[in-house]
Amino acid sequence: QSVLTQPPSVSGAPGQRVTISCTGSSSNIGAGYDVHWYQQLPGTAPKLLIYGNSNRPSGVPDRFSGSKSGTSASLAITGLQAEDEADYYCQSYDSSLRGVFGGGTKLTVL
Amino acid sequence: EVQLVESGGGLVQPGGSLRLSCAASGFTFSRYWMHWVRQAPGKGLVWVSRINSDGSSTRYADSVKGRFTISRDNAKNTLYLQMNSLRAEDTAVYYCAGVSYSSGSFDYWGQGTLVTVSS
Repeated sequence: QSVLTQPPSVSGAPGQRVTISCTGSSSNIGAGYDVHWYQQLPGTAPKLLIYGNSNRPSGVPDRFSGSKSGTSASLAITGLQAEDEADYYCQSYDSSLRGVFGGGTKLTVL
Repeated sequence: EVQLVESGGGLVQPGGSLRLSCAASGFTFSRYWMHWVRQAPGKGLVWVSRINSDGSSTRYADSVKGRFTISRDNAKNTLYLQMNSLRAEDTAVYYCAGVSYSSGSFDYWGQGTLVTVSS
């Protein structure tokens, strides 16, 4: 059981918009810790996608956006492309600065 | 170019020990907090342990506390994870990750090293 809760899967057709939710608690996201998102393509290491709730590292397309409110966060992907098919993970911290991850969401591009 | 290269994984019997290493290059290793994250086959990412930049503070997931020890050698730009009393449920790919001191995000990831605990 992961500390942060994500839907196991989402799907969408090319060009569509999808969102992935990440629900925590007052011990992590709700305590004010930022949420970060990672993309993991099959057979590869995770890659930072969104940091500090809503910031994109250099090289990440602006089709990817993040937001945070209260004890939850969400990742939105617009203009879905085939290469977006991957697993997505949210991550934050608890009060001891131990990392916490969501269980991951598998995105399928139909 | 930033690189994190893990090594030391392999097949070990239950109750055995392994020491993972993570060699860092391309960034100022001594300024970064470092973490270990693992991923069991077909499963999600699970946080394992972290160490602050000078090695004075460490934290562990409850599942590994008392069995695993994280350490670092800033002179050698290397992170370690000593794993003792290994169990079948420790079987996973182990990633080291470098964390930004400004945002707390896992900016840099290694390619991972597979640890298999089986008799």
